[in-house]
Amino acid sequence: KQEVTQIPAALSVPEGENLVLNCSFTDSAIYNLQWFRQDPGKGLTSLLLIQSSQREQTSGRLNASLDKSSGRSTLYIAASQPGDSATYLCGSDTDKLIFGTGTRLQVFP
Amino acid sequence: GAVVSQHPSRVICKSGTSVKIECRSLDFQATTMFWYRQFPKQSLMLMATSNEGSKATYEQGVEKDKFLINHASLTLSTLTVTSAHPEDSSFYICSARDRNEAFFGQGTRLTVV
Repeated sequence: KQEVTQIPAALSVPEGENLVLNCSFTDSAIYNLQWFRQDPGKGLTSLLLIQSSQREQTSGRLNASLDKSSGRSTLYIAASQPGDSATYLCGSDTDKLIFGTGTRLQVFP
Repeated sequence: GAVVSQHPSRVICKSGTSVKIECRSLDFQATTMFWYRQFPKQSLMLMATSNEGSKATYEQGVEKDKFLINHASLTLSTLTVTSAHPEDSSFYICSARDRNEAFFGQGTRLTVV
């Protein structure tokens, strides 16, 4: 059974810092890994999808890497802004998407 | 990206009644949809996989007679919470894949009083 863990559970940083969010998963036989953000009381917004054959994906200030063999993915957020404040979830996709516990990020001005 | 629409966004119902939640893929077809449940400050827990034209697949510990899933078309799946109790109060979210990428509905906040 796939288990997904995210570290840290919470993070509070001043605006402008570069951030690293970590995700680890126990079953490396994944089809892909996807990062999402969730604002309070809302659904999930897809940020980046990394296929199992890929090592990283980039979108704007976001960069996600994937190391299948070690069961790890990392989300980098460059030059953080208050609007980045949200919960970030990673989902590992075997035949269904299983989520980690999330990282609650707060970026203060 | 693709759009998944979920309705209603909020519902309050009396204990013992049933509530139906709809999940629609607006600009793509989805043979499979997923239903999740999320308690406050916790992550999403997969409840069941909804399969178009066939029975849903439920995760261990999820009561299939309580959470009825119907996936009658390629763009619509429904989740009915039957005989709702206060402990069923939660945030329910559906998801569908478009070319391997998962997209989520806005979620439904269910409160059972």
